[in-house]
Amino acid sequence: GAVVSQHPSRVICKSGTSVKIECRSLDFQATTMFWYRQFPKKSLMLMATSNEGSKATYEQGVEKDKFLINHASLTLSTLTVTSAHPEDSSFYICSARDARGQYFGAGTRLSVL
Amino acid sequence: GENVEQHPSTLSVQEGDSAVIKCTYSDSASNYFPWYKQELGKGPQLIIDIRSNVGEKKDQRIAVTLNKTAKHFSLHITETQPEDSAVYFCAASSGTGNQFYFGTGTSLTVIP
Repeated sequence: GAVVSQHPSRVICKSGTSVKIECRSLDFQATTMFWYRQFPKKSLMLMATSNEGSKATYEQGVEKDKFLINHASLTLSTLTVTSAHPEDSSFYICSARDARGQYFGAGTRLSVL
Repeated sequence: GENVEQHPSTLSVQEGDSAVIKCTYSDSASNYFPWYKQELGKGPQLIIDIRSNVGEKKDQRIAVTLNKTAKHFSLHITETQPEDSAVYFCAASSGTGNQFYFGTGTSLTVIP
């Protein structure tokens, strides 16, 4: 149980385009979903926290207009990187939480050319 | 806010030996401490967790200990195997609805 599916696993895009990443909790309903960014050999940096039907709460320094989060249901959250630039290239990881714990997706490697 | 420190940042052990990773936290309100294993190019996977009402928890070759007074908790891996090689993260949280604060990670290498 407690499977979090994240797609795509890897995406390469041109500078200026937008990229959407999906995160689904497959066998449980997530009370809260999180989006993290991870730089090479670094820890996870929390970008935002979202609850179903509510606006996401962004961490300091994270541009909400740049990283759009939609938490449409208890099992689906999406992160859209708008007008991506090379500095947005990174490993993005979603996470979903229920009463038992917090579980992570496999991550999305975004490369912006 | 919570501050979680993790040591060592890198650890190499011979296959069959034990590995110990330690974390300290600052917020006495933290009461949930999970450990995650992250393999290269993948997301973190929960391997074991402990809540503040217990001092130790074991699952086969993996154990976690918690010292609430000293505000530190440790991951113990016995009889290490090459497939244990990965980056391990500790985390602390003050409740199921609150965010996790992650340590900086430990890169474990098990040498065959």
